[in-house]
Amino acid sequence: DAGITQSPRHKVTETGTPVTLRCHQTENHRYMYWYRQDPGHGLRLIHYSYGVKDTDKGEVSDGYSVSRSKTEDFLLTLESATSSQTSVYFCAISEGLAGTGANVLTFGAGSRLTVL
Amino acid sequence: AQTVTQSQPEMSVQEAETVTLSCTYDTSESDYYLFWYKQPPSRQMILVIRQEAYKQQNATENRFSVNFQKAAKSFSLKISDSQLGDAAMYFCAYRSSYYGGATNKLIFGTGTLLAVQP
Repeated sequence: DAGITQSPRHKVTETGTPVTLRCHQTENHRYMYWYRQDPGHGLRLIHYSYGVKDTDKGEVSDGYSVSRSKTEDFLLTLESATSSQTSVYFCAISEGLAGTGANVLTFGAGSRLTVL
Repeated sequence: AQTVTQSQPEMSVQEAETVTLSCTYDTSESDYYLFWYKQPPSRQMILVIRQEAYKQQNATENRFSVNFQKAAKSFSLKISDSQLGDAAMYFCAYRSSYYGGATNKLIFGTGTLLAVQP
């Protein structure tokens, strides 16, 4: 169990307000990811991190920023939320699959954000 | 850039029957991983099965198996003896085999919603 916790699980906010989603992991994994899920698009990568203070953009990074000041926490911030950012947000970590040498992504439970 | 295509937005199967979900992908890489994830109504993303491109043998996990056709860039998921609990959204995903950073990222298809009829 990767021990991934996302908070908040649900949030309703107004256009123009800042929003921060938190992803917390308990097992010291180096790589962490933020995805958004939208109907007809599957999951798309927003930002990812490969270590403390090391982050990079994914394919849909506009309007989002991230921070990772500690190994266990990866924050996703919407500086000024827009209705197009209404979505379900998933955090993921990359961990080894026991006995295989392969790495797989394990996901948190998701955070549903509604921007009115 | 790699892409993943799931051409069946919705599928339906009778309980105890077999269903096959389709997935095709495009890549110029020779080594990579392919995955099927299941997302039930709880929204949790659950890894169903994994296939390494260098392996010719198709992966199998209990009632779930894949038909991996590397030349055709096809990666279908077969669910045998379908159960009510199999009802979910299924996502096909691609990952480069090179370790590190964004190369660990998954590229997802748009998903197939599977309904299981009693």
